[in-house]
Amino acid sequence: LAKTTQPISMDSYEGQEVNITCSHNNIATNDYITWYQQFPSQGPRFIIQGYKTKVTNEVASLFIPADRKSSTLSLPRVSLSDTAVYYCLVGDMDNYGQNFVFGPGTRLSVLP
Amino acid sequence: GAGVSQTPSNKVTEKGKYVELRCDPISGHTALYWYRQSLGQGPEFLIYFQGTGAADDSGLPNDRFFAVRPEGSVSTLKIQRTERGDSAVYLCASSPGTSPQNEQFFGPGTRLTVL
Repeated sequence: LAKTTQPISMDSYEGQEVNITCSHNNIATNDYITWYQQFPSQGPRFIIQGYKTKVTNEVASLFIPADRKSSTLSLPRVSLSDTAVYYCLVGDMDNYGQNFVFGPGTRLSVLP
Repeated sequence: GAGVSQTPSNKVTEKGKYVELRCDPISGHTALYWYRQSLGQGPEFLIYFQGTGAADDSGLPNDRFFAVRPEGSVSTLKIQRTERGDSAVYLCASSPGTSPQNEQFFGPGTRLTVL
């Protein structure tokens, strides 16, 4: 049973806000929600992490509803350089290998 | 400061050969992770170390794969009797600790090609 489900791909235009939603219906009490970004030929890069409510940093915002069964990564005013694959992970360090599954991610294409 | 480095960046070998892939984590990071990534897929967990010991090796696909971290810093992923299906990018990551709040810092990867 997959821990997370997210769209395979999304298209956007420069300057728009992009929201990528991840479903994690079976999230456990101790699980955190983490998002990574990956450019071609590079390793993934941490974007943001949260447990509940809203988290914001200089790059993105993460919205988590009260039931924590989903989360939404929000990228404000995207640019061409935001074209990448975005991964949503949920888990804690118990049984790490079973929990921290990257999945295929969401391929975001930002168009001019 | 220096990030995670991996050597070699590319490795081409023949089926049946033995290969070693090296990872130099960020200094002071206690946790080290190995993943492999096939084209179009997300990274697949292989093993992680807390210090010198393997805390979780449940992702190693079979006994041809082995990893060590003898001094709690540099790690080597070893693959015996390589097969064409082992071709992938092997990623290493490190983090200050192993709590979920510790973000992982990834290296650029080693692209392994088995002919």
